[in-house]
Amino acid sequence: GAGVSQSPRYKVAKRGQDVALRCDPISGHVSLFWYQQALGQGPEFLTYFQNEAQLDKSGLPSDRFFAERPEGSVSTLKIQRTQQEDSAVYLCASSLVLGQRNQPQHFGDGTRLSIL
Amino acid sequence: SQELEQSPQSLIVQEGKNLTINCTSSKTLYGLYWYKQKYGEGLIFLMMLQKGGEEKSHEKITAKLDEKKQQSSLHITASQPSHAGIYLCGAFLRSNDYKLSFGAGTTVTVRA
Repeated sequence: GAGVSQSPRYKVAKRGQDVALRCDPISGHVSLFWYQQALGQGPEFLTYFQNEAQLDKSGLPSDRFFAERPEGSVSTLKIQRTQQEDSAVYLCASSLVLGQRNQPQHFGDGTRLSIL
Repeated sequence: SQELEQSPQSLIVQEGKNLTINCTSSKTLYGLYWYKQKYGEGLIFLMMLQKGGEEKSHEKITAKLDEKKQQSSLHITASQPSHAGIYLCGAFLRSNDYKLSFGAGTTVTVRA
């Protein structure tokens, strides 16, 4: 596709359930990022992939959060045993090449996760 | 916590009037990006600034990065309803950074 595609757009889950959020980056983009955006705040970094390698997961809030990108394209962010504080918008971004600051990160529309 | 401070937090402007949003850091910014976000949607890339003193314009939007690379401004001339939304600045805070740090955003409302 032309842009970063995320699904589902909205997800409602009960506390304790597991959820999986999908990101399909722009074709050919090497770098893929996940960010978490709380209401009224800017996005906060969660994790970063270069191709299939997860190079940084320092922003993941707990070990209930897990991300993968097995073939270097589509990525999945999984949250186990969801808690109410996990409610947020989860944004995926991709960029062409790591380390070149003239290549902006392009964002998807996000998945709005609500935990009841 | 946000390492980039944006001001104002929100503003209401009459259609046709100008507006300015500021983004400030206590650290040197290695690449400054401006994005626009509409409620419930993703971030749309507007402009990127890298060098101290750099200024870029696109249509009615102008962004500047100061010489010390610690402050950026976004100026919209003759605002239109299409300019309404949340404006976010994002930056690399370290020379070898690849992850963006964002401000909390500025909500712009344009009144007809």
